[in-house]
Amino acid sequence: GQQVMQIPQYQHVQEGEDFTTYCNSSTTLSNIQWYKQRPGGHPVFLIQLVKSGEVKKQKRLTFQFGEAKKNSSLHITATQTTDVGTYFCGASTSGTYKYIFGTGTRLKVLA
Amino acid sequence: NAGVTQTPKFRVLKTGQSMTLLCAQDMNHEYMYWYRQDPGMGLRLIHYSVGEGTTAKGEVPDGYNVSRLKKQNFLLGLESAAPSQTSVYFCASRDGPREYFGPGTRLTVT
Repeated sequence: GQQVMQIPQYQHVQEGEDFTTYCNSSTTLSNIQWYKQRPGGHPVFLIQLVKSGEVKKQKRLTFQFGEAKKNSSLHITATQTTDVGTYFCGASTSGTYKYIFGTGTRLKVLA
Repeated sequence: NAGVTQTPKFRVLKTGQSMTLLCAQDMNHEYMYWYRQDPGMGLRLIHYSVGEGTTAKGEVPDGYNVSRLKKQNFLLGLESAAPSQTSVYFCASRDGPREYFGPGTRLTVT
């Protein structure tokens, strides 16, 4: 079945450093979503990417969808302690009502 | 507007006991989902529903049953709990691409 691999599993950065997490699928995706889960909390929707090669920005966060629609990345510039949490990608193929989530990348920011 | 709520928040069960987790949403969403989250495993889909009266299996449905008798409620049942079902359970409802998650239920089976 469809699988979504997410790397790295963990990342510790100094405050002010950049951070990137990657999602890779074995199959072509119709769209991909990104979620953030704070420690002890629940996942919260960040963004959806739909088009091949799409790039979207939210303040210090940059999201990219690969040209082949098989991979995506989330980049955070100049991390802050408020960025701490686990970042998940959720992917779907056309004709399905469900997402397959990546295993998540847990980000720790050291002040 | 409460969004997605889940009851209970915490529960401890003995092996073989049964229980039902309740998810309720007040956003009139058609699609609802049950996930389990285990360390290092991300979110895995147990069952989902695309509308009142419908249910379908996800990735890890064994040992669970669901019902969607009313549009706003999605129930997850464990008929005979096993230690392998110790997990955090999240319910979600969906509007377009966006899933709205409940606060979760932490279940421990001893």
